[in-house]
Amino acid sequence: EAQVTQNPRYLITVTGKKLTVTCSQNMNHEYMSWYRQDPGLGLRQIYYSMNVEVTDKGDVPEGYKVSRKEKRNFPLILESPSPNQTSLYFCASRGSGHNEQFFGPGTRLTVL
Amino acid sequence: GENVEQHPSTLSVQEGDSAVIKCTYSDSASNYFPWYKQELGKRPQLIIDIRSNVGEKKDQRIAVTLNKTAKHFSLHITETQPEDSAVYFCAARYTGRRALTFGSGTRLQVQP
Repeated sequence: EAQVTQNPRYLITVTGKKLTVTCSQNMNHEYMSWYRQDPGLGLRQIYYSMNVEVTDKGDVPEGYKVSRKEKRNFPLILESPSPNQTSLYFCASRGSGHNEQFFGPGTRLTVL
Repeated sequence: GENVEQHPSTLSVQEGDSAVIKCTYSDSASNYFPWYKQELGKRPQLIIDIRSNVGEKKDQRIAVTLNKTAKHFSLHITETQPEDSAVYFCAARYTGRRALTFGSGTRLQVQP
């Protein structure tokens, strides 16, 4: 089954404790993105990647890092999480030459 | 960069009525305009999209119209049903940026 997966789905952590949210897709898509969703603000892009080892900042990259060492995986890293990073995070992927973007199931992060 | 504004933020209609959600975008270079539906606790899913070389597109009860001159596009849902209740997001993208910019979302409630 073609899909985008994220782990964990829920995470409660404390300020300053490094964490990683994994994202994986099995559709051989070139483009992958991370978004955060906050009430009244819609989905805002954090980072995106056009292919292996090619990443670029989105609209709200501060406090986040990403890597794309393999085509299928695009982890989101919070080196020192803060409470303002409490949010719902979505990973998404899209194939080159196609418009439709497929979203993962989301990760609800709470930083205390 | 691109800015997408979406109205209204909430919309309540009676079952069987029509619903219209409107978005405006700022970058005249944007050429792809998708609409996503997000049910409670679920991931966003593409319901319809339109490219800038087309003025209108229909798929059963949903349609999207695009006015490039005015830089706005709209989602039309006819004969609404309770299962249409969800949050709807519009988005815009231009080829050079490869990233979607989302509107803030509209919560549609269809009253039985």
